[in-house]
Amino acid sequence: DTEVTQTPKHLVMGMTNKKSLKCEQHMGHRAMYWYKQKAKKPPELMFVYSYEKLSINESVPSRFSPECPNSSLLNLHLHALQPEDSALYLCASSPSDRVRTEAFFGQGTRLTVV
Amino acid sequence: AQTVTQSQPEMSVQEAETVTLSCTYDTSENNYYLFWYKQPPSRQMILVIRQEAYKQQNATENRFSVNFQKAAKSFSLKISDSQLGDTAMYFCAFMKLLNTDKLIFGTGTRLQVFP
Repeated sequence: DTEVTQTPKHLVMGMTNKKSLKCEQHMGHRAMYWYKQKAKKPPELMFVYSYEKLSINESVPSRFSPECPNSSLLNLHLHALQPEDSALYLCASSPSDRVRTEAFFGQGTRLTVV
Repeated sequence: AQTVTQSQPEMSVQEAETVTLSCTYDTSENNYYLFWYKQPPSRQMILVIRQEAYKQQNATENRFSVNFQKAAKSFSLKISDSQLGDTAMYFCAFMKLLNTDKLIFGTGTRLQVFP
């Protein structure tokens, strides 16, 4: 199994809603990532979890709240988002933060904030 | 700080022909990884090929090969026998060998393969 699975694939939410994005991998990877990608732009790193601990927060607004319940799961909780937060949110995983190899990406969640 | 530059926003190629995508980067590191990722309309970022900076031999994966020039900080991707399924956005990316989890992406090159 070399997949990173993200749900939902599409999400439309109002600015007062609370929603969560989910990411799952069963490759035994110990590093997991959230990226944000706007149209025709490269992905921008948001958060990194290493061995289930938050290791990097790229100064992301607090309306985005990551959570890593276990080594296979990564969530991104969303609250009071703005229309400019509409984007493709990509999850990725890699074997470890001590062994540098490629990251495996999910298909992303297309988020629209109305 | 590391930067990755892709100077070709768009490229096109006819099916079965060869195309080369350019990438340059700037770093003071000596050990690092370089990657080419492909993002088709399905949105998933798919690893095409990777190169370890300490390896002099250029990486090859089937129809995909790289020309890695470490001194020039250049990392181009050659796609041979282009196929319609190669149509996608291609991102060049850099990663330090140690102490960071960051992939630094270039701005991407949109490749269109025509029949």
